[in-house]
Amino acid sequence: DAGVIQSPRHEVTEMGQEVTLRCKPISGHNSLFWYRQTMMRGLELLIYFNNNVPIDDSGMPEDRFSAKMPNASFSTLKIQPSEPRDSAVYFCASSDGLIRGLSNQPQHFGDGTRLSIL
Amino acid sequence: GESVGLHLPTLSVQEGDNSIINCAYSNSASDYFIWYKQESGKGPQFIIDIRSNMDKRQGQRVTVLLNKTVKHLSLQIAATQPGDSAVYFCAEIASGGSYIPTFGRGTSLIVHP
Repeated sequence: DAGVIQSPRHEVTEMGQEVTLRCKPISGHNSLFWYRQTMMRGLELLIYFNNNVPIDDSGMPEDRFSAKMPNASFSTLKIQPSEPRDSAVYFCASSDGLIRGLSNQPQHFGDGTRLSIL
Repeated sequence: GESVGLHLPTLSVQEGDNSIINCAYSNSASDYFIWYKQESGKGPQFIIDIRSNMDKRQGQRVTVLLNKTVKHLSLQIAATQPGDSAVYFCAEIASGGSYIPTFGRGTSLIVHP
């Protein structure tokens, strides 16, 4: 089975440019998560969706960051304008949990997008 | 164990030895725990999970132990292999809360052939 698919794998761009990261969750999963990973701060949750609806975006660092999930099989994370401090690895994860009354289920991660803002 | 500093704690073992990676979790309401393995250039990969109604769970070459009294979780890897070299994260979830996992900072496991 295909896992979570992220694109691009690597992105290098100059500050001020718009960056769009893409994610295709595992088919049938109803929850999608965007994380950022740095050595300084570890793995940080940015936003998560349940049934395509954003539930909590309190981890989004600034208004420069936005995320959408137009359908169950696609999500984007956009940074506009980008800054050097946004450089990190961005992960998308999906799960079929997050429903009260059902057992929690682990998240399945993509291989990430390594973003470098010059 | 987990670190709040800039550097990941590191565990170095010889191939064939058993490895024990520790994790102290913070929320006494957490009732679901997961161990992830992250290899260089890849995303975290699910290894094993355990619910709070258990204190031990075994998988293939891995065992997770949960001590709720002291809020401690450990991952034991039997007969460690070079392919086990990675960063290992524990994650905790409180079902009565947001259902969102809280990840530790990770422990780097280095296996020497």
